[in-house]
Amino acid sequence: QSVLTQPPSASGTPGQRVTISCSGSYSNIGSNNVYWYQQLPGTAPKLLIYRNDQRPSGVPDRFSGSKSGTSASLAISGLRSEDEADYYCAAWDDSLGGHVVFGGGTKLTVL
Amino acid sequence: QVQLQESGPGLVKPSETLSLTCSVSGGSISSGSCYWSWIRQPAGKGLEWIGRMHTSGSTNYNPSLKSRVTISVDTSKNQISLKLSSVTAADTAMYYCARAAILGANNAFDLWGQGTMVTVSS
Repeated sequence: QSVLTQPPSASGTPGQRVTISCSGSYSNIGSNNVYWYQQLPGTAPKLLIYRNDQRPSGVPDRFSGSKSGTSASLAISGLRSEDEADYYCAAWDDSLGGHVVFGGGTKLTVL
Repeated sequence: QVQLQESGPGLVKPSETLSLTCSVSGGSISSGSCYWSWIRQPAGKGLEWIGRMHTSGSTNYNPSLKSRVTISVDTSKNQISLKLSSVTAADTAMYYCARAAILGANNAFDLWGQGTMVTVSS
């Protein structure tokens, strides 16, 4: 059971906007930045969003992140077939000396 | 550009120690201020952070693994190593090394290795 809670699946049609939620607690999302990763099948994860809403260079602006309280969201607009992947949220957790926690991942299907 | 490459035995016996190495090419492991982490992923499951080492030498470990994990850096070889003792089948996973080098974003893993699969079996 993951410390951060994500829906196991999400779906949308090309061109649609989809959001993926990530729920945590005060010790992680409530007190620290949220990060989002995209993992295409058979590949290593890739950083999509850092510091809640910042995109690394090269990440399309179709991807956006937000955070409110102890929850965060990843939004993907103008959905494309190549967006079909697993998405993970992550945050630092201040408990037990501090450590990184991940969400369980959300499998995004582009219909 | 900087690249990471994990290596190590693909098969480890139960109760033994898993030892992996992450080789850094295209840059010095000790330059700048960044964190080097190990992250694992059992087949078909999610990501689990194992621990990290900062270029200063400080370490942090996942509380659930802390008693069995050691992460160290060999600056002469430009490598990060992972040792996980007393392994069981539950430690079977793809193991990734990752770098967090974005200023002010200590847990933004901006560079990943391709991963190395480790199976624990007799």
